[in-house]
Amino acid sequence: SQKIEQNSEALNIQEGKTATLTCNYTNYSPAYLQWYRQDPGRGPVFLLLIRENEKEKRKERLKVTFDTTLKQSLFHITASQPADSATYLCALVTDSNYQLIWGAGTKLIIKP
Amino acid sequence: DTAVSQTPKYLVTQMGNDKSIKCEQNLGHDTMYWYKQDSKKFLKIMFSYNNKELIINETVPNRFSPKSPDKAHLNLHINSLELGDSAVYFCASSLTSGGAFGLSETQYFGPGTRLLVL
Repeated sequence: SQKIEQNSEALNIQEGKTATLTCNYTNYSPAYLQWYRQDPGRGPVFLLLIRENEKEKRKERLKVTFDTTLKQSLFHITASQPADSATYLCALVTDSNYQLIWGAGTKLIIKP
Repeated sequence: DTAVSQTPKYLVTQMGNDKSIKCEQNLGHDTMYWYKQDSKKFLKIMFSYNNKELIINETVPNRFSPKSPDKAHLNLHINSLELGDSAVYFCASSLTSGGAFGLSETQYFGPGTRLLVL
């Protein structure tokens, strides 16, 4: 069956450390993958997009990697801050019908 | 200058009632979506409209009927509300690239409508 999986348990990280979140998928052929941030009571906000032929993408303190062999994307936040605390969602776009398939999200908590 | 707006923000109603949620975007996008986010925070797409035409209609009860009067608006009408309809409903929009990536470009979300059916 087709699945997108993110760690359902909250991730607790000490301020200043690097936070790494994982998005795994099975039985999809991705065109690209997106990462979104969702704060409580708000809608998701787009952060980064990485295409299937790209290995890595960076934006300020954010870095995304995409390994189509492992069927995995990693999302890194370096020098993490309490303000980075939120739920992070990955969304995969298939190359068949270009529909966006969402993971359930991982809650990230950055402790001062 | 809100990009994607939804009204109302909160909706509390009795089972069996009919209600509508409105969505408007001022981004000039041509594709709009409705999502349902349940208590487990999983986002499920319900409908997608491109230039006022329905392009995605996932398996949702036919009590849910989207209406798009123009490409800047996508409203959601729900008939005979049930307890299981309680959730947060998000509207989103995107710009169709017209190229290889079709209809699923970066999506911009509204603030959500919190529906509670009693």
